[in-house]
Amino acid sequence: DTGVSQDPRHKITKRGQNVTFRCDPISEHNRLYWYRQTLGQGPEFLTYFQNEAQLEKSRLLSDRFSAERPKGSFSTLEIQRTEQGDSAMYLCASSPIPGDLHPGKTQYFGPGTRLLVL
Amino acid sequence: RKEVEQDPGPFNVPEGATVAFNCTYSNSASQSFFWYRQDCRKEPKLLMSVYSSGNEDGRFTAQLNRASQYISLLIRDSKLSDSATYLCVVNMIGGGSYIPTFGRGTSLIVHP
Repeated sequence: DTGVSQDPRHKITKRGQNVTFRCDPISEHNRLYWYRQTLGQGPEFLTYFQNEAQLEKSRLLSDRFSAERPKGSFSTLEIQRTEQGDSAMYLCASSPIPGDLHPGKTQYFGPGTRLLVL
Repeated sequence: RKEVEQDPGPFNVPEGATVAFNCTYSNSASQSFFWYRQDCRKEPKLLMSVYSSGNEDGRFTAQLNRASQYISLLIRDSKLSDSATYLCVVNMIGGGSYIPTFGRGTSLIVHP
């Protein structure tokens, strides 16, 4: 399967613990996005990378959230000191660099990591 | 006001019906518009891009009205398999980058 993969698919943790999620994009895709989705809402943009550069991170929800893509391939999203309000689906997507400067050419989403904070 | 607004529905229609969804966006400098489809407990998948001239893909037609800042999706001859949530996506300028901004989605239920 050459699609976007995410690991783990499900994570249950206790409040105050740190969690880390991994995303492996489609291999030839330079752009990688992280989103959070809660029930009844659309995906909410968190951050994105072009290769290893994090080009937009102002939408990360708090300083407890951080993301990395050190070699321009896979990415990790870490949430420190989790809170019950962090419970959600965390989606990763990748896309090729478009011909113009704008993102939003076809994004391919992974299956998501569902987080439950008790 | 939300940046991208959609009527959450649900729209409950019989097979064969024509149904239309609208999506409004707040930033007139927005670039690139898309409709995605999301099945229950699945990831979103691109349905179609939306071009200024309007575009059609089989039973699906998308339109963009920049003056009124809305996009629309028309589905003709609805099938049971069209039942899903339809997400409007607008690339909005924010912090120096274009940020993909999703609406909350419109739920469609097609019944026999």
